Amino acid sequence: GQNIDQPTEMTATEGAIVQINCTYQTSGFNGLFWYQQHAGEAPTFLSYNVLDGLEEKGRFSSFLSRSKGYSYLLLKELQMKDSASYLCAVRDLKNRDDKIIFGKGTRLHILP
Amino acid sequence: GAVVSQHPSRVICKSGTSVKIECRSLDFQATTMFWYRQFPKQSLMLMATSNEGSKATYEQGVEKDKFLINHASLTLSTLTVTSAHPEDSSFYICSALRGTNTEAFFGQGTRLTVV
Repeated sequence: GQNIDQPTEMTATEGAIVQINCTYQTSGFNGLFWYQQHAGEAPTFLSYNVLDGLEEKGRFSSFLSRSKGYSYLLLKELQMKDSASYLCAVRDLKNRDDKIIFGKGTRLHILP
Repeated sequence: GAVVSQHPSRVICKSGTSVKIECRSLDFQATTMFWYRQFPKQSLMLMATSNEGSKATYEQGVEKDKFLINHASLTLSTLTVTSAHPEDSSFYICSALRGTNTEAFFGQGTRLTVV
């Protein structure tokens, strides 16, 4: 099966930097996603890492280490609108069965 | 970016009735679609994986006779909640894969309330 762990809640200050970690265990790893979800809305795509390393996209960056089963999402210059849940999801390909499994999500609170 | 349309966005139904939710990929062909449900303040729980032209693969604990999934074409998958009960009230979200090594695109979600 799959196991995805991320902190339940985090708090940070407007203008600061925050790193949200995600660890995973899966037998058919085929990529890791980060999504942002505001309450009552569908998730929106942030990043997709397949290879090791850091990918930067504006204020958001995502890092992956496949050997460690570890990823993080880095948010810079935090804004109040970044208050949301951040979902780590792993794409698991096993026996031609392609699934995307989500972690429980990290609720990020931004303080002024 | 790719667009996935989910309909309806909200539905209220009586206990014992059935509700159909549609998920369409508007500008790409989706060989694989996923159906998730999400309870308040919880993450997305995968219910089933739907492949065009074949039977859906259900996750453990999901009743396939209660949650009927049909993926009749490369752009449409439907989820029918049969004989709905109040405990089926939840947020249901579909997502579609455009191909390998791409992100999953999500529909807007359907908030189902069973009274």
